[in-house]
Formats: sequence, structure tokens, C-alpha cells
Amino acid sequence: SQELEQSPQSLIVQEGKNLTINCTSSKTLYGLYWYKQKYGEGLIFLMMLQKGGEEKSHEKITAKLDEKKQQSSLHITASQPSHAGIYLCGADKNAGNMLTFGGGTRLMVKP
Amino acid sequence: EPEVTQTPSHQVTQMGQEVILRCVPISNHLYFYWYRQILGQKVEFLVSFYNNEISEKSEIFDDQFSVERPDGSNFTLKIRSTKLEDSAMYFCASSEAPLGLATGELFFGEGSRLTVL
Repeated sequence: SQELEQSPQSLIVQEGKNLTINCTSSKTLYGLYWYKQKYGEGLIFLMMLQKGGEEKSHEKITAKLDEKKQQSSLHITASQPSHAGIYLCGADKNAGNMLTFGGGTRLMVKP
Repeated sequence: EPEVTQTPSHQVTQMGQEVILRCVPISNHLYFYWYRQILGQKVEFLVSFYNNEISEKSEIFDDQFSVERPDGSNFTLKIRSTKLEDSAMYFCASSEAPLGLATGELFFGEGSRLTVL
């Protein structure tokens, strides 16, 4: 099975600071999806990465997939309280229409 | 903005009862999914559905579970004879295309919290 490990499990940063969340796969990723989950709510799609070395940005969030397609990072620049939530990476195993999620990284941003 | 809607938002049921969780996917989407999240644990895949058939299901999705698209808009998850361990948040999702394609990202609903007593 496709195991995804996320680190750190939780993170508290001061508003305005940069931060990075990592997602590591035990197998080569076909597609990697980043989602954000607000506490007790649904998942909001952030970005999808498919190509080795690919990088995408949306507002202050940048996601990268390494060349070997086994590790992805999510970087937030100048964090704000609105960035608080749980960030989840999800893997597409290219053998079926399902996403396997990591355990999530819980982010708190202190004003 | 189009969204996936789920009802009920919270359901409490007695062990052994049957529950039906309802979802209205985004109107032009063709692929439908159910996921669940037990409190404090990972979001887990249950089932994917396309063209009125199950296309993939996990080990969790045993004979206790069934899905149906009874009309052109609803997508339901039925859980028969509920057990304590079925208590979880159940998320419905839909996508325009399968995973891997440009419009293959999943859009999730807000979830239905099921509590089995």
C-alpha cells in the first residue's frame, strides 16, 4: 500500500513567519495532492503535482515535488492566522481512482 | 461557487440501526467518492463510483456498506447494522474527471458526523 508520512505532525508559528510541511512516500508518486482541512470541516483542494521537479504556487503557498517523485513540500510564506488548519497530502497510486492520505500536519499561527 | 453538500451534518444512532448519509455532488461531476475520518485518525478511502457502478473500494467497505445514486443528483452511503466503531466523520467528494487528469481533483463536502451509541 502507498504509505505517506507527513512531518511535522504539528506546528506552531508566529504570524509572519515562513514554514514548510513535508510529505514523504514509500513508493514513487504518480500524483500528489495537497488539501487543507479546517477543524471539523471538509477538505479544501490546494494543489496537484504530477511531474518530477514540479512546483506550483497559489498566493503565499508553494508546493514542490522532488525529481524522484517521492517527496513533496508545502511552503507558506509570511504566515497568517487564516493559514491555520490541518494540511493533508494525498497520493494517487495510478492503479485506481482513489487518494491515500497522510496523517496531516496541524498548523497554528499565533497572532 | 459550486459545492458538494451533505446531509445530515450530524446523526446519532443506536448500535444495530441502519443509517443513510446523503450527498449532492457538484452538478457536472461524474466521479463520486466516500471517505471517512475517525476522530484523531487519517482520512480513509471507502469507495469510488462512476457510471452507476463502484469502480474501487477499500477493505473497510465490506457488506455492511452500500452506495447508490438513486436519481440524477443524490449519492448515498448506507450503513447497515451500525457498530460503535462506525462512529466517524463521513466525507462525500466528487470530481469532474478521474484522478491524474487536469480536472481530476476531488471536491469534498463538509462531512456528516455519525455517532453510534
